[in-house]
Order: sequence, then structure tokens, then C-alpha cells
Amino acid sequence: NAGVMQNPRHLVRRRGQEARLRCSPMKGHSHVYWYRQLPEEGLKFMVYLQKENIIDESGMPKERFSAEFPKEGPSILRIQQVVRGDSAAYFCASSPSAGNYGYTFGSGTRLTVV
Amino acid sequence: KNEVEQSPQNLTAQEGEFITINCSYSVGISALHWLQQHPGGGIVSLFMLSSGKKKHGRLIATINIQEKHSSLHITASHPRDSAVYICAVSRGADGLTFGKGTHLIIQP
Repeated sequence: NAGVMQNPRHLVRRRGQEARLRCSPMKGHSHVYWYRQLPEEGLKFMVYLQKENIIDESGMPKERFSAEFPKEGPSILRIQQVVRGDSAAYFCASSPSAGNYGYTFGSGTRLTVV
Repeated sequence: KNEVEQSPQNLTAQEGEFITINCSYSVGISALHWLQQHPGGGIVSLFMLSSGKKKHGRLIATINIQEKHSSLHITASHPRDSAVYICAVSRGADGLTFGKGTHLIIQP
């Protein structure tokens, strides 16, 4: 049981490039959550997905950010035309079901925009 | 006002001391979570509570639903306990809402 796998661990992008962050949930988990941790700030919810569905994207910036969780493969958080303010740690967590089943977090992807 | 408030923000203690970190919340919740994050590291879930008290090794977590308050205690603290401890709440199936964390340093 490899836990929640995020890759890459570190990602450097120039301003204007695209960033793709991947998250493979724990085996048997069909619920995925993405969180962002800006430097010197707390964690903030971004988006909640189930297989092939976005359940809640109320924490996602309206532009340049998108997320998907296809039937096959990892969940992807995509940031288009990155800006310096996107530099942050992005964490993924998975859960076996909705409700109080607990969450397992990945190690995060640290995005640096130069 | 943040929905989840933690105190203290920073805490430095000597090895062996009993540590208490507090968390207050202002919304209705289905569960409260305590998480641990080491510098540059991932996030580990320590406890999920909806009532009462839980214990795991030297860590104890309590929650008072009526007072909307939870505490995380560390007994016989050790330098390896140095980390950021984060309180978070869940409301049904939605994502977590986090406190800003408590930076704990245990000096040998």
C-alpha cells in the first residue's frame, strides 16, 4: 500500500508556462481533495473530486486553474500561464468515501515559478 | 475572524515537558482533525475526533463539542516531536478548513 502518491515532488516553471501536478490516491479511495499552502500561510481547500466528477471547486481560482480525476489514472491539477503568486506547496488527500472516513495526505508538490 | 483558531502560534519547550496545543472553531462540524507537518515534508494525519478523547502513544487529543474546543497534548516531549501541528475541521463531505498551525520546537 503505497499511500497517496504525488509527483513531481518539486516543479520549477517559468512565468507563462503550464504546470501539471499529479495525485494517485490510495488504493480503494475514490475521493480526492486538493489543497494549497502558500508561503507563511495555512492550507486552503481548492477542489474535491470523485472519479470523473468535480464535486466542489469553490476554492479554485476562477481562471487558469483546472482539475480532473479521470476514470483511469491519477487526478491532475493543471495551472495554465503560471505567475509568481502560484508558487506554493500543493497537497492532495484521498478518502475512501464521503463523510467521516479520515484523509490520507500525499507528500505534496512544491511549485516554484521563476 | 477565522473559522478555526489555534494557540499558541509558536511554542518552544524543553525535552520532557508536557505540551498542550489548543484549537477553537466557530462552525458546526462533523469531525475535527489534528495533523502534523515537518519542515519541507508531507502532512500526516494524527487524529480524527467527533467526541471525547483519543490516545496514540504519547499523543492525546480531546474535544468538547459544546464549547467548540479541542486540545492536543504531547507527554514526555522529544526533539523529534518538533513540527507544525495543524487543527482542521470537516463539515460532511466537503474539504477541510484549517487553522494556521502551531510551530513547536522541542529543545534537547
